[in-house]
Amino acid sequence: GAVVSQHPSRVICKSGTSVKIECRSLDFQATTMFWYRQFPKQSLMLMATSNEGSKATYEQGVEKDKFLINHASLTLSTLTVTSAHPEDSSFYICSAKRGTDTQYFGPGTRLTVL
Amino acid sequence: ELKVEQNPLFLSMQEGKNYTIYCNYSTTSDRLYWYRQDPGKSLESLFVLLSNGAVKQEGRLMASLDTKARLSTLHITAAVHDLSATYFCAVDRPGGSNYKLTFGKGTLLTVNP
Repeated sequence: GAVVSQHPSRVICKSGTSVKIECRSLDFQATTMFWYRQFPKQSLMLMATSNEGSKATYEQGVEKDKFLINHASLTLSTLTVTSAHPEDSSFYICSAKRGTDTQYFGPGTRLTVL
Repeated sequence: ELKVEQNPLFLSMQEGKNYTIYCNYSTTSDRLYWYRQDPGKSLESLFVLLSNGAVKQEGRLMASLDTKARLSTLHITAAVHDLSATYFCAVDRPGGSNYKLTFGKGTLLTVNP
């Protein structure tokens, strides 16, 4: 149990376009979902925390107008990278948790902005 | 601000040898996690350590936690090539109910034949 999926797994887009990444908890209801980004050979950096039905909480230095997060249901959160630029190219990983349980990580989405 | 430091950051070892990865953190925390990441992949959960003195073992890996010293170790016994990966420790940030994680920089482990 506790499977988290992400879609797409890879996406290539042109500079200036927007990209949406989906994160789903497949077999449990996630009270909280987290979005991380990871640059090559670096650690994971938390971008934002989202609770179902409420606005996401962004970490310091993360632009909320650029990285739009929607947590519309207990099984789905979306991250939209608006007006993407090459510096937004990264590996984006979501995680989901229920209550005080541990976080379960998705397989990640590799975004390349040309 | 919670800081999590891992060392070493790079570890090259021969098959059959033993080694330990260290994870220090700066403030009190409820939980400590160890994860494995293969190239191009997401995180695989290895261990969750909840209390002082906790020790968990899975195969050739053993993790321990000393909350007084704010130190966790990941010990590798008789390493094999399949253990080559990046290992991260992560700590719950104190306070709040969301259990946000702060990650160490990771240890890139290469096991050579």
